[in-house]
Amino acid sequence: DSGVTQTPKHLITATGQRVTLRCSPRSGDLSVYWYQQSLDQGLQFLIQYYNGEERAKGNILERFSAQQFPDLHSELNLSSLELGDSALYFCASSPVTGTYEQYFGPGTRLTVT
Amino acid sequence: GENVEQHPSTLSVQEGDSAVIKCTYSDSASNYFPWYKQELGKRPQLIIDIRSNVGEKKDQRIAVTLNKTAKHFSLHITETQPEDSAVYFCAASPPGTGFQKLVFGTGTRLLVSP
Repeated sequence: DSGVTQTPKHLITATGQRVTLRCSPRSGDLSVYWYQQSLDQGLQFLIQYYNGEERAKGNILERFSAQQFPDLHSELNLSSLELGDSALYFCASSPVTGTYEQYFGPGTRLTVT
Repeated sequence: GENVEQHPSTLSVQEGDSAVIKCTYSDSASNYFPWYKQELGKRPQLIIDIRSNVGEKKDQRIAVTLNKTAKHFSLHITETQPEDSAVYFCAASPPGTGFQKLVFGTGTRLLVSP
């Protein structure tokens, strides 16, 4: 157990819908990263937050957004869902920005039908 | 941007043999190279990492080597056991101000047969 928690574990929804994925970092960690893992794209970096502020963006679609709250948990919002958004979504946390080690949560499996 | 290539995509070994997985990266400024192990349906787990100022690092049966000149790094697992069977991902971290995103390779599925 890495100490990073994610909810829900599984999510099944229809195309066009909107969902919210939640992540709680390890105690004391200030930085949260979101990654998408799909069969054809592998593990792709989406976005990073540090202490409530967005720090870096990767291959994140405009339909996706995220935020980090004062208690340091983070939410990833996915809207206008398409079949191709079906994937495992992981968040990872690290103690401070610029610190190298990232520890992954158990992931949320999103299925869009 | 950074690009990481990983080989082989699958690797089958007998228990007790050694396994080697290789990765190359494109951005010579990348300074951190972790390896993750992912079992089916589970989270990636950090198993070992190396920073650009070190050439080799070892932790029991696993070791990582880094050749900055050639821009490649490798994972070595000795005395493999069936529980080593999983998908292994390498990653490289290009430098940035205030963040450390990971760019992953495509993964190697390791199968250790008893």
